[in-house]
Amino acid sequence: EDQVTQSPEALRLQEGESSSLNCSYTVSGLRGLFWYRQDPGKGPEFLFTLYSAGEEKEKERLKATLTKKESFLHITAPKPEDSATYLCAVSGSSNTGKLIFGQGTTLQVKP
Amino acid sequence: GAVVSQHPSRVICKSGTSVKIECRSLDFQATTMFWYRQFPKQSLMLMATSNEGSKATYEQGVEKDKFLINHASLTLSTLTVTSAHPEDSSFYICSARQGPTDTQYFGPGTRLTVL
Repeated sequence: EDQVTQSPEALRLQEGESSSLNCSYTVSGLRGLFWYRQDPGKGPEFLFTLYSAGEEKEKERLKATLTKKESFLHITAPKPEDSATYLCAVSGSSNTGKLIFGQGTTLQVKP
Repeated sequence: GAVVSQHPSRVICKSGTSVKIECRSLDFQATTMFWYRQFPKQSLMLMATSNEGSKATYEQGVEKDKFLINHASLTLSTLTVTSAHPEDSSFYICSARQGPTDTQYFGPGTRLTVL
């Protein structure tokens, strides 16, 4: 069964304090690993899609990496506006395009 | 690019009435749209997959007669909650898949409150 586990569940950082969020996954035939950001009361905002181990993508202070078992979302010198819930999801060959989501990591960045 | 809209953003209705939520892909054609439900402090729960011109595929445990889904065009899908009850109160989010990849773009969500 395809599964996604995110850790930690919650993370508090001081502004400028870099850290990483983890997404561990098991999936049959990975078709893609996805990172989204969700603000309270809003729909998820697309950040990255990673397709194969070794792939990396960057956007501003965020960098996503992928191995065969996990993905990391690295946040460099975060700002208070980076506070949000970050969701990881996978799609596999047995799921016909569906995304399997983790429970998310809620990040709070204090000024 | 890849913008998805939902309407309404908030709706309050009385128990027993029906509510329709629209989901539109504004700048791309979406052959597949998805409907999710999200409870407070929980992740997204997939309700159904909607393909243009065909019947929706519902996840296990989702009542297809209660949550009617129509995907009449490549840019519009609708979710109708029929005979709504207070337990149907939730945050409903749609998404649309662009092109051959599995990347989904999400709408802003609709907060449904049933009194």
